[in-house]
Amino acid sequence: AAGVIQSPRHLIKEKRETATLKCYPIPRHDTVYWYQQGPGQDPQFLISFYEKMQSDKGSIPDRFSAQQFSDYHSELNMSSLELGDSALYFCASSSTADRTASSYNEQFFGPGTRLTVL
Amino acid sequence: LAKTTQPISMDSYEGQEVNITCSHNNIATNDYITWYQQFPSQGPRFIIQGYKTKVTNEVASLFIPADRKSSTLSLPRVSLSDTAVYYCLVGSGINNAGNMLTFGGGTRLMVKP
Repeated sequence: AAGVIQSPRHLIKEKRETATLKCYPIPRHDTVYWYQQGPGQDPQFLISFYEKMQSDKGSIPDRFSAQQFSDYHSELNMSSLELGDSALYFCASSSTADRTASSYNEQFFGPGTRLTVL
Repeated sequence: LAKTTQPISMDSYEGQEVNITCSHNNIATNDYITWYQQFPSQGPRFIIQGYKTKVTNEVASLFIPADRKSSTLSLPRVSLSDTAVYYCLVGSGINNAGNMLTFGGGTRLMVKP
């Protein structure tokens, strides 16, 4: 079965540089989520999109922005990178149409992008 | 969002049943209880979700008492590959646009041979 695709898988940047992470959700999934997981920390929700519109916003820095395109893929743009931005960035997707009482909160996570800021 | 409390870590042996209990005293009427599993450097994976009583799937069982202030994830006959962090999440399942997940303080399960 198709899974969530993220690219690149690894990225190394210098401080103050910019980075763009890409996410391709499972086909026919209408919601995309972005999470950040720092070393030894729990995943933290950043932002989500439903049908190409921002639906929820979490602890996403102002230096970051994201969007979902007409083909449902999403990009997370990160500017003025800081050392503290080094983390695993996960994208997840879900389908509101497929939800049942036993799966409302089921999200399918991608393999993540490991960002290292030097 | 309802706050959850679960053990920081647990040890078990292969073939044993593991029960991880999560407390969520402030759970709201429309909140669901969801469990995720995460291996190192991998994205979390949905295990099971329930509202009340007992839910069972091919991977685990979820027991929820009548007052819903706690829940127990039960993993039957664990193997070494079940070594992972297990997260208990509580939140509303009814949202037209999907639900953000709030991860906090999971349980690190170590399965020994």
